[in-house]
Amino acid sequence: EAQVTQNPRYLITVTGKKLTVTCSQNMNHEYMSWYRQDPGLGLRQIYYSMNVEVTDKGDVPEGYKVSRKEKRNFPLILESPSPNQTSLYFCASSLMEGGNEQFFGPGTRLTVL
Amino acid sequence: GQNIDQPTEMTATEGAIVQINCTYQTSGFNGLFWYQQHAGEAPTFLSYNVLDGLEEKGRFSSFLSRSKGYSYLLLKELQMKDSASYLCAVMDSNYQLIWGAGTKLIIKP
Repeated sequence: EAQVTQNPRYLITVTGKKLTVTCSQNMNHEYMSWYRQDPGLGLRQIYYSMNVEVTDKGDVPEGYKVSRKEKRNFPLILESPSPNQTSLYFCASSLMEGGNEQFFGPGTRLTVL
Repeated sequence: GQNIDQPTEMTATEGAIVQINCTYQTSGFNGLFWYQQHAGEAPTFLSYNVLDGLEEKGRFSSFLSRSKGYSYLLLKELQMKDSASYLCAVMDSNYQLIWGAGTKLIIKP
């Protein structure tokens, strides 16, 4: 089954404790992206990647890191989480050509205390 | 700057028709997407328009006017399961998606 998976789905952590949210897709998509979604603000892009070893900042990259060592995986790293990073996070992937829909993972609900 | 505007919330009755509007100002245009998102779930793709006109897909239709920077999503024969948020997104000249904040649609019996 074609899908995007994320882990963990739910996470409660404390300020400053490094964490990684994994994202994996099995559709051989070149493009992958991380979003956060907060009430009233819609989806905001954190980082994106157009292919292996190619990553770029989105609209809200501060406090986050990503890597793209393999085509299928695109982990999101929070080196020192803070309470303002409490949010719902989505990973998405698509083919590179314009007009192709993005497939979203199920989401990760992160709470930073 | 780039901007997508859609109403925050709309209410409609089961069995009726509702139109959700989206206006946009972006750096270039490479198509407009509509997604449906149920509360706490991932967005799912509904439609894609790149040329002017109406695209129909079952109970859902999407319209685009590039000259007016305007699109709408039309939902017919509304069902309770259509209660969700509807997200409008435009692909700009760099092939990046610019997202609206979404329209929460409430369906009443």
